[in-house]
Amino acid sequence: AQSVTQLDSHVSVSEGTPVLLRCNYSSSYSPSLFWYVQHPNKGLQLLLKYTSAATLVKGINGFEAEFKKSETSFHLTKPSAHMSDAAEYFCVVSALNDYKLSFGAGTTVTVRA
Amino acid sequence: SQTIHQWPATLVQPVGSPLSLECTVEGTSNPNLYWYRQAAGRGLQLLFYSVGIGQISSEVPQNLSASRPQDRQFILSSKKLLLSDSGFYLCAWNRAGAQETQYFGPGTRLLVL
Repeated sequence: AQSVTQLDSHVSVSEGTPVLLRCNYSSSYSPSLFWYVQHPNKGLQLLLKYTSAATLVKGINGFEAEFKKSETSFHLTKPSAHMSDAAEYFCVVSALNDYKLSFGAGTTVTVRA
Repeated sequence: SQTIHQWPATLVQPVGSPLSLECTVEGTSNPNLYWYRQAAGRGLQLLFYSVGIGQISSEVPQNLSASRPQDRQFILSSKKLLLSDSGFYLCAWNRAGAQETQYFGPGTRLLVL
């Protein structure tokens, strides 16, 4: 079985400062890991995906995430936050031969002007 | 390219009334299809998934049902809505095979009064 823990339910940053969203996972197999973003009353949009290639994954809108097997972590970062980054972010894990995704509880990001 | 549609976008229904939400995918064939519910302030809960026409797997026993009458159409139904059915309903698809990225629709906001 797999599971995901997002360590922060809410993160507040100033515009132009770095963003760090923390995610730890548990999986019995080599997982695929995803980060999705959800703006209010919208569907989920894929930011990036890790599939056992490079451990540093670059995504859309300047986001990137680093897979660390020894720490079972997949933290999401962005060097400079923009007002449009205010949203909810979900870390997600998918195990081998399993159609089902395991979602973290989500991290709400607010960006201060 | 592939697109996923959901309708209606918003729905207000009285308790005890029936429900039908529709999801369609364009630009692909034989997709896996999923229904999720997102209650206010909570993560995503997988309700149903389908790997082919007429093949439905239920994840959570409740008063909802799903059907897949056509390859790229997925319908979520209820005969009698409960207050607890209120939430944001998301449809998703991915290519056949596990660990493929899921792509989400824009969602339907359901309010049961």
